[in-house]
Amino acid sequence: DTAVSQTPKYLVTQMGNDKSIKCEQNLGHDTMYWYKQDSKKFLKIMFSYNNKELIINETVPNRFSPKSPDKAHLNLHINSLELGDSAVYFCASSPPGLSDEKLFFGSGTQLSVL
Amino acid sequence: GENVEQHPSTLSVQEGDSAVIKCTYSDSASNYFPWYKQELGKRPQLIIDIRSNVGEKKDQRIAVTLNKTAKHFSLHITETQPEDSAVYFCAASQQGGSEKLVFGKGMKLTVNP
Repeated sequence: DTAVSQTPKYLVTQMGNDKSIKCEQNLGHDTMYWYKQDSKKFLKIMFSYNNKELIINETVPNRFSPKSPDKAHLNLHINSLELGDSAVYFCASSPPGLSDEKLFFGSGTQLSVL
Repeated sequence: GENVEQHPSTLSVQEGDSAVIKCTYSDSASNYFPWYKQELGKRPQLIIDIRSNVGEKKDQRIAVTLNKTAKHFSLHITETQPEDSAVYFCAASQQGGSEKLVFGKGMKLTVNP
């Protein structure tokens, strides 16, 4: 019954590899996001999709490619992983209308690049 | 764009004391100010929010105040308990605009029993 679920929870991989993180929400929200939380706990938005369309693309290396097959899913694919990509990645969603800023976060994916 | 500053970065209090976390924002067009709590190893969760047409909002032991003129807002926690220990994030955005929610850098609150 988890509202925003992302997998895997932990991801340990070598530099140069390609990996994906999946996210699904069953809240009926229109907007989904990817946030990166670094070791200092700073939460920074990476991407935002509204109804499958990209609306926010922060200054993120093009090694990061989000994909939204439908409005309930937003996956993140990362190519050629680097040490600096190590962080916790949070998926989030928000409802439509006046409450569209209220974020519901997934449980996070801790990515460790060795 | 919006810039949100949060201070202090850490705060340690004794159980039962009050805690105050302060944030400032730069964009006068921002009109929505939420607070998120993130317990160790967990996801951030919205605990309270305030819109610019309100100066104060309270929910049990937590309250948020907003000073639009000075562009700052604060979270007040009374009668702190050990389970209040967490990282607290303030944020600001322009409701209905294309601006994204901008987070402060977080404040780690430790409540000592």
